[in-house]
Amino acid sequence: TQLLEQSPQFLSIQEGENLTVYCNSSSVFSSLQWYRQEPGEGPVLLVTVVTGGEVKKLKRLTFQFGDARKDSSLHITAAQPGDTGLYLCAGAEGAQKLVFGQGTRLTINP
Amino acid sequence: GAGVSQTPSNKVTEKGKYVELRCDPISGHTALYWYRQSLGQGPEFLIYFQGTGAADDSGLPNDRFFAVRPEGSVSTLKIQRTERGDSAVYLCASSLFGAGVNEQFFGPGTRLTVL
Repeated sequence: TQLLEQSPQFLSIQEGENLTVYCNSSSVFSSLQWYRQEPGEGPVLLVTVVTGGEVKKLKRLTFQFGDARKDSSLHITAAQPGDTGLYLCAGAEGAQKLVFGQGTRLTINP
Repeated sequence: GAGVSQTPSNKVTEKGKYVELRCDPISGHTALYWYRQSLGQGPEFLIYFQGTGAADDSGLPNDRFFAVRPEGSVSTLKIQRTERGDSAVYLCASSLFGAGVNEQFFGPGTRLTVL
């Protein structure tokens, strides 16, 4: 099974600051997804990246897939308290199986 | 429309007991997945169904774990002789099956506590 390492595991910053979360693997994935999970709920898909070097933007969130399709990053600009949550990256292993990282717990302080 | 639902939301049991966890996928979704999420970790794949059959059960940790989906809709995850290490949130997800990457829609999970 391929492994995904996320860093940092915990991040607490002030409202208005920028941040980047990383997702790294020694293996190549056919695609990579980013999810956000709130307490007591299941993960909710934010974005899927498929092509090496791909960049996708979702409002203040920017997602990038590495050229070699082994790593990805999530950058948040001007973080807001509503961005607080657990951010998970997941790589597609085969057609259907997802391998998740351990998550980055983000706290944005007002 | 209705999302993925899971029952019960919480289950407390004693070591050695048998438990069943239920998942109702989104109507029309042919693929169904079970994951387990331990405290402070990401979800860990257990099993995937395409229709009624288990297409990939490589994530089931041992033979105490079993899952069924007899009519291709609702699924039940069954755990025999529960152990304290089985305590976790069990997540179910469903998706439309097709070519390429399929978005998986997750339910809220069942929190299992084995005393």
